Amino acid sequence: SQTIHQWPATLVQPVGSPLSLECTVEGTSNPNLYWYRQAAGRGLQLLFYSVGIGQISSEVPQNLSASRPQDRQFILSSKKLLLSDSGFYLCAWSVTPTGELFFGEGSRLTVL
Amino acid sequence: GNSVTQMEGPVTLSEEAFLTINCTYTATGYPSLFWYVQYPGEGLQLLLKATKADDKGSNKGFEATYRKETTSFHLEKGSVQVSDSAVYFCALSDRNTGGFKTIFGAGTRLFVKA
Repeated sequence: SQTIHQWPATLVQPVGSPLSLECTVEGTSNPNLYWYRQAAGRGLQLLFYSVGIGQISSEVPQNLSASRPQDRQFILSSKKLLLSDSGFYLCAWSVTPTGELFFGEGSRLTVL
Repeated sequence: GNSVTQMEGPVTLSEEAFLTINCTYTATGYPSLFWYVQYPGEGLQLLLKATKADDKGSNKGFEATYRKETTSFHLEKGSVQVSDSAVYFCALSDRNTGGFKTIFGAGTRLFVKA
């Protein structure tokens, strides 16, 4: 069966520090991969999606970036975090024709 | 562009009450529609889906019908339980270049009292 894992689960970082969140999918090949951010009490904002290795689409201009070095690995990064980067980050994958998403457990980032 | 609008919460109900959470959408193509649920501290889970007009998605007593004429996908449950307390997201998925892009509503928090 397919599984998705993301880590770390919780992260507290100072302003200006770098960020790396990692997500891996198992049990499937060539998935579409997504990074969403959920700010406190708000909906989900699509940050990046990828349809293949090295192919990244950015939805919102910001100081975050994403990379897909392997078929089932998706990484969210920042060189210098801002206070506004705090939130709950969710990785998701999809291979079905209807586009339904399967989410990881989430990574809660607090920038101080 | 595509968008999803759902009723603001929180919604507070007593156990066994009837639930409706309204959702409307705007789309240029023929999207698939979804309801996802998020329990406290967790990621989202797919609750139900409908892929074409007049389809009814159902799961765990929840239902929603894809209404193209009113561009709606309202979530209903006849008798809610305390365990249904969660945040519910309406979502739209449309085929984009090489894949799908899913857009979510703002979410509706449901509290069910015993």
